[in-house]
Amino acid sequence: KQEVTQIPAALSVPEGENLVLNCSFTDSAIYNLQWFRQDPGKGLTSLLLIQSSQREQTSGRLNASLDKSSGRSTLYIAASQPGDSATYLCAVQGGSEKLVFGKGMKLTVNP
Amino acid sequence: ETGVTQTPRHLVMGMTNKKSLKCEQHLGHNAMYWYKQSAKKPLELMFVYNFKEQTENNSVPSRFSPECPNSSHLFLHLHTLQPEDSALYLCASSQVSLMGKDGYTFGSGTRLTVV
Repeated sequence: KQEVTQIPAALSVPEGENLVLNCSFTDSAIYNLQWFRQDPGKGLTSLLLIQSSQREQTSGRLNASLDKSSGRSTLYIAASQPGDSATYLCAVQGGSEKLVFGKGMKLTVNP
Repeated sequence: ETGVTQTPRHLVMGMTNKKSLKCEQHLGHNAMYWYKQSAKKPLELMFVYNFKEQTENNSVPSRFSPECPNSSHLFLHLHTLQPEDSALYLCASSQVSLMGKDGYTFGSGTRLTVV
């Protein structure tokens, strides 16, 4: 059974720092990995999707990498801003249609 | 309208009421999902529909009844709910094919409170 872990559960940093968010998964047989952002009480916004054949994806200040063999992904946020404050979720999709989520990491960027 | 739209955004219902949540996707996807998000718990998959056919029911109590009349619409019918069913209910869609799997697109969710 696939399990996704995100550590730490929460992070508070001053504005301007470069951040690394970690995600690990137990079963490396995945089709893709997706990073989402969730603001309080809202739905999920997709940030980056990495297919299993890819090593990384970039969008603006965000860069996500995937090491499928070791079951790890990182989300890199450059020059963090208060508007980046949210919960970040990592999810993997395996052979079934299911997307398996981690518990998320709550990020607070202080001005 | 674009993406995945969920209505209503907020719902308060009594334990004896019957209500329905609606989800509509405008992306041409062939798979739709219901997820439940409770406080301090990971997202829980409830139901999966591929090409309008239910392919997964993740041990969800019968007081939750899904309906998928076509590939663009998904409903979740609710009856005799319990206070512990209060949560954010999220709908998502994706495109599944022999060529691979694209990512999920989520709606904004329905915040359900059972009183």
